[in-house]
Amino acid sequence: DTAVSQTPKYLVTQMGNDKSIKCEQNLGHDTMYWYKQDSKKFLKIMFSYNNKELIINETVPNRFSPKSPDKAHLNLHINSLELGDSAVYFCASSQDESLPLYNEQFFGPGTRLTVL
Amino acid sequence: GENVEQHPSTLSVQEGDSAVIKCTYSDSASNYFPWYKQELGKGPQLIIDIRSNVGEKKDQRIAVTLNKTAKHFSLHITETQPEDSAVYFCAASMYSSASKIIFGSGTRLSIRP
Repeated sequence: DTAVSQTPKYLVTQMGNDKSIKCEQNLGHDTMYWYKQDSKKFLKIMFSYNNKELIINETVPNRFSPKSPDKAHLNLHINSLELGDSAVYFCASSQDESLPLYNEQFFGPGTRLTVL
Repeated sequence: GENVEQHPSTLSVQEGDSAVIKCTYSDSASNYFPWYKQELGKGPQLIIDIRSNVGEKKDQRIAVTLNKTAKHFSLHITETQPEDSAVYFCAASMYSSASKIIFGSGTRLSIRP
């Protein structure tokens, strides 16, 4: 009964391809996030959705397109993959951020993307 | 926007000794400061957090302190154990808006047996 799950765990692909990473949470949370962690472990937010609506959209190339079919799922689609996209991508979720007690973010296990 | 700086980037301590990791933040409006632990091959996990109306919080061997005036906060781990070896991230955010958590650059803590 994993709280936040991501698939796949590893993704190796050629430059120029299009790929998707899926994320699901069974915690009943309202908000979901995508983070990118580079080779130096630096963790940076990319997107955030609250109840299927985009609320945070950082300076990310438009090759990256998140999609939330329902509040338990947040997928990340990446077009025309580049070498610099290689990183570990983490999905996370949290309870409604307007409630001060529920700010803990629960992270998935990560997807290691390698672009060759 | 908010900027969080974290030091040191690597820290090695003898088992049983204490470890201290320090962070500073730039936005005085930030009011929530979590600490996350990331073990090898896993996602970050919250270990302790502190809000701006509190100066110190302790949970067993882990404690956090917050100095709002100086805009810095610290993580203290006492009686370190091998399982404390991991990468630790401090972070800052405001929980009163559609906020985002800004993470520090991480500290790789190694516990020497």
